Amino acid sequence: EVVLTQSPGTLSLSPGERATLSCRASQSVSLSFLAWYQQRPDQPPRLLIFGASSRAPGIPDRFSGSGSGTDFTLTISRLEAEDFGVYYCQQYLHSPFSFGQGTKLEIK
Amino acid sequence: EVQLIQSGAEVKKPGESLKISCKASGYSFTTYWIGWVRQMPGKGLEWMGIIYPGDSDTRYSPSFLGQVTISADKSVSTIYLQWSSLKASDTAMYYCARHGVHTANSWFDPWGQGTRVIVTS
Repeated sequence: EVVLTQSPGTLSLSPGERATLSCRASQSVSLSFLAWYQQRPDQPPRLLIFGASSRAPGIPDRFSGSGSGTDFTLTISRLEAEDFGVYYCQQYLHSPFSFGQGTKLEIK
Repeated sequence: EVQLIQSGAEVKKPGESLKISCKASGYSFTTYWIGWVRQMPGKGLEWMGIIYPGDSDTRYSPSFLGQVTISADKSVSTIYLQWSSLKASDTAMYYCARHGVHTANSWFDPWGQGTRVIVTS
């Protein structure tokens, strides 16, 4: 099973700042079969990024994904109040299609 | 619009059986993989398994194989998650989610609203 390790566990930032979230895989996720999701409190997760770097429809361009192999990054260029929540990465190359443990992005 | 509507919250006792549902609409139900994700209280997301309603091909995470059963009914465009004997540790929110494209190797989008299951004596 592919283990995804996200860092940091918690990120405290202010609106307008840049957020950088990391996701490291225990083995290569080739073909960039990696997605990022946002989960706000008491809501289901929402797809942000698929294919490591493609934004889902309706997702603002301040969200961007990058990386390949075992190291992936989600960047939010200028944080807005609505961006705070928990972010998860998921690989969908090797079944079971595991999730990372999440990074909580909180208001400083 | 693609929608996944899940059944309502459940409160059950240990040892009881349970079947929760996820009704799909707005797309060709038999041609997309769709699956279940568990979120225990205060915890992260866990991939449980997926099913292809066209032929009921099912894949389980080893962590959930033998613990739950995933099934589909094409006649009502609905998938199910079933337990034969609940444990307190099954207390969680359960989400259904459809794959984004017509392959198993795909992201989840969209997601259902979630079904809360509480198992308590």
